[in-house]
Amino acid sequence: EAEVAQSPRYKITEKSQAVAFWCDPISGHATLYWYRQILGQGPELLVQFQDESVVDDSQLPKDRFSAERLKGVDSTLKIQPAELGDSAMYLCASSTNNRGNTEAFFGQGTRLTVV
Amino acid sequence: GNSVTQMEGPVTLSEEAFLTINCTYTATGYPSLFWYVQYPGEGLQLLLKATKADDKGSNKGFEATYRKETTSFHLEKGSVQVSDSAVYFCALSSGGSYIPTFGRGTSLIVHP
Repeated sequence: EAEVAQSPRYKITEKSQAVAFWCDPISGHATLYWYRQILGQGPELLVQFQDESVVDDSQLPKDRFSAERLKGVDSTLKIQPAELGDSAMYLCASSTNNRGNTEAFFGQGTRLTVV
Repeated sequence: GNSVTQMEGPVTLSEEAFLTINCTYTATGYPSLFWYVQYPGEGLQLLLKATKADDKGSNKGFEATYRKETTSFHLEKGSVQVSDSAVYFCALSSGGSYIPTFGRGTSLIVHP
């Protein structure tokens, strides 16, 4: 069964350091999402890609966060410098398209702890 | 804007009890509605969905009916099992960009 792959599963980093997460969506899925999930809360969208283009990054803290999907396949989310408040689960999801009736398939997430 | 409100948890039940988790929404246009489940340390898995009013989504004994008149999509199961213990998220997708919007999640704990 096809899955969304994310790595690493866990990351501990010191504040002010740089950190990067990787996501490989299900093959053929044009839409890719990065979500941040703080413990005890629901996922909140950071950025949405349609192929290689950013559709929505209005909630991405652009002073420290960046995301790219250069060839419209896999994607990288970077934080530089990391802050204590960035500790959260970072979830990647993909879907066949960005029409509302298609579900998003989620990866297992990267648990980030900033110390 | 779009938003989802779920009942606060945790919901604690004994095995074989009846489950209801309430979900109401605010959305532009005609949203699609989803329930996702998250087991400890894992990502979210789609449990069921409904794409238009009066549709009933169902999977693994769980059901939810899209009620446009009450803007609700309550999750129900007739007889819960210990293995159903997880966090359940109600979500919708609507509007021009169709970005899935999630509720805060409701934790379900089922005791033997």
